[in-house]
Amino acid sequence: QVQLQESGPGLVKPSETLSLICAVSGGSLSYYYWSWIRQPAGKGLEWIGRVYTSGSTNYNPSLRSRVTMSVDTSKNQFSLKLSSVTAADTALYFCAREKVTTGTTVFDYWGQGTLVTVSS
Amino acid sequence: DIQMTQSPSSLSASVGDRVTITCRASQDIINYLNWYQQKPGKAPNLLIFDASNLKTGVPSRFSGSGSGTDFTFTISSLQPEDIATYYCQQYDHLPYTFGQGTKLEIK
Repeated sequence: QVQLQESGPGLVKPSETLSLICAVSGGSLSYYYWSWIRQPAGKGLEWIGRVYTSGSTNYNPSLRSRVTMSVDTSKNQFSLKLSSVTAADTALYFCAREKVTTGTTVFDYWGQGTLVTVSS
Repeated sequence: DIQMTQSPSSLSASVGDRVTITCRASQDIINYLNWYQQKPGKAPNLLIFDASNLKTGVPSRFSGSGSGTDFTFTISSLQPEDIATYYCQQYDHLPYTFGQGTKLEIK
């Protein structure tokens, strides 16, 4: 059973960089896309971007200038960095596996989510 | 970006009721649409993929239909454990986008 677990600081100061890691267990990173999705309290879901096992990335244009994602296959984990954060970046951050088959793409496994608050 | 508009944003229904949620895309997304269920404090859970295909293990009271720009999600007989927020999500074009969610409550 694949499991994902987010980790990282729960509190980040404005203008600093938010850094999160998603550790994957029960399966390999290979041949999947790995996404980050966030959800402000009481609001909907926003796709931040994804990274493939090769390291190639796709980012949401709304966040592209501030986002960096990477994979570490030796540790079976991937990461998110979001720079120059503001209070608007306060949210529950999920990591998720994106399964792509012919004509179908789904987020089939998710982490439990980690709350990141931006505040001084 | 493709905008996904769900309606209603909230819904109150009784156990046993038939519940329908609609999702409209701002452009043709063929059938590249998924439905997720999210319970409070939990991650979303995939229920339906490709607009109408039920994920293995999901109860048959859940169903989806539609293509192009208009999609429907239905619970044929509402159960207490179905209390959650439901989201549609398109994967026709990056960035992936979600509807704003429909919060379902028991009357």
